[in-house]
Amino acid sequence: SQTIHQWPATLVQPVGSPLSLECTVEGTSNPNLYWYRQAAGRGLQLLFYSVGIGQISSEVPQNLSASRPQDRQFILSSKKLLLSDSGFYLCANKLRDRVTEAFFGQGTRLTVV
Amino acid sequence: EDKVVQSPLSLVVHEGDTVTLNCSYEVTNFRSLLWYKQEKKAPTFLFMLTSSGIEKKSGRLSSILDKKELSSILNITATQTGDSAIYLCAVEVYGGSQGNLIFGKGTKLSVKP
Repeated sequence: SQTIHQWPATLVQPVGSPLSLECTVEGTSNPNLYWYRQAAGRGLQLLFYSVGIGQISSEVPQNLSASRPQDRQFILSSKKLLLSDSGFYLCANKLRDRVTEAFFGQGTRLTVV
Repeated sequence: EDKVVQSPLSLVVHEGDTVTLNCSYEVTNFRSLLWYKQEKKAPTFLFMLTSSGIEKKSGRLSSILDKKELSSILNITATQTGDSAIYLCAVEVYGGSQGNLIFGKGTKLSVKP
């Protein structure tokens, strides 16, 4: 069965510091991978998605970036965090060629201070 | 642009009430519609719907897709305080520019004792 690992669970970072959030997937290969951000009590905002190694699509202009160095690894980064980057970040994966649900990691709650 | 709209955005009910949450969509190349429940961390999968008129049911929760009306409803009968959560609707599309999986903003349900 599929498992998606996301870490860290919580993070407090000062403004201007760098960020690296990692997501890895087990039990599947060649998935679509997604990074979402969620403001408190709200829906999911798609940040990036990837259909394969090195293939990243960005949905929202911002100071974040994403990379997919391996098939089952998806990384969200920033060189300099802003206060507005605070939020709950979720990684998700979905099998590309099958009608199945998307699976989510447990999320990272980022607070920029 | 593909979009998914949920209503209401928030809802407060008392235990024992029945609630209906709505999800409408405007997308090209519909593939499936998914419902998730999110409490504090990762969304948990509830239902996936691909065919019109077929009801998916799990305990007190049920959902139906209406492809003619481009919408779906999620019903919860005899609500309990444990049903308090954000309910997310997502539509998967073939191809598309938004990573194939488009989420609505969610409905925040609060069930009071």
